[in-house]
Amino acid sequence: DQQVKQNSPSLSVQEGRISILNCDYTNSMFDYFLWYKKYPAEGPTFLISISSIKDKNEDGRFTVFLNKSAKHLSLHIVPSQPGDSAVYFCAAREEGGSEKLVFGKGTKLTVNP
Amino acid sequence: NAGVTQTPKFRVLKTGQSMTLLCAQDMNHEYMYWYRQDPGMGLRLIHYSVGEGTTAKGEVPDGYNVSRLKKQNFLLGLESAAPSQTSVYFCASTPTGALGPLHFGNGTRLTVT
Repeated sequence: DQQVKQNSPSLSVQEGRISILNCDYTNSMFDYFLWYKKYPAEGPTFLISISSIKDKNEDGRFTVFLNKSAKHLSLHIVPSQPGDSAVYFCAAREEGGSEKLVFGKGTKLTVNP
Repeated sequence: NAGVTQTPKFRVLKTGQSMTLLCAQDMNHEYMYWYRQDPGMGLRLIHYSVGEGTTAKGEVPDGYNVSRLKKQNFLLGLESAAPSQTSVYFCASTPTGALGPLHFGNGTRLTVT
């Protein structure tokens, strides 16, 4: 049973346009959400996070939106750059301070010049 | 500043063989984690440690053992490798827990034949 779902395996956008990566979750006990980016042959790197008490968090070109009622979050990248081409993982943590993060399967973003 | 270093980068084992994956971090982080990533899957937590001398089970601990004798090192052992353990293994560390964020190594690609 997949608790964190990234239903789009891939996404292709033009340089300069907006990239929107989506993530849905089923566990209402999740209280914190994170996005990681992964280049081939490297480990994931942290991108941005959001607590369940907020509905938006912004860091430069990256913004994460959380809709708790819909159990949905999205990552917006504006403007998209070729260097953003990577696999993006959504992750969630269950309320109560667990060390366990539940990761989605990832979305491969390709930004075309 | 090396960050998180994983050794080896690649390994091929025969079924039934044993091996140890080494993770070393030079950031003085308390928390360390071992994840595995299978094709088309998100990362899944195998074991983790909240400090020197401590270990705990994650989501998929069966077939693996870990040790954290020194703060900077976290070892993952496979006593009797099985083809189902073919995967890419990532080690991560963080100073303050899973919301850290996590600093990942570049992975160990293990194939069990």
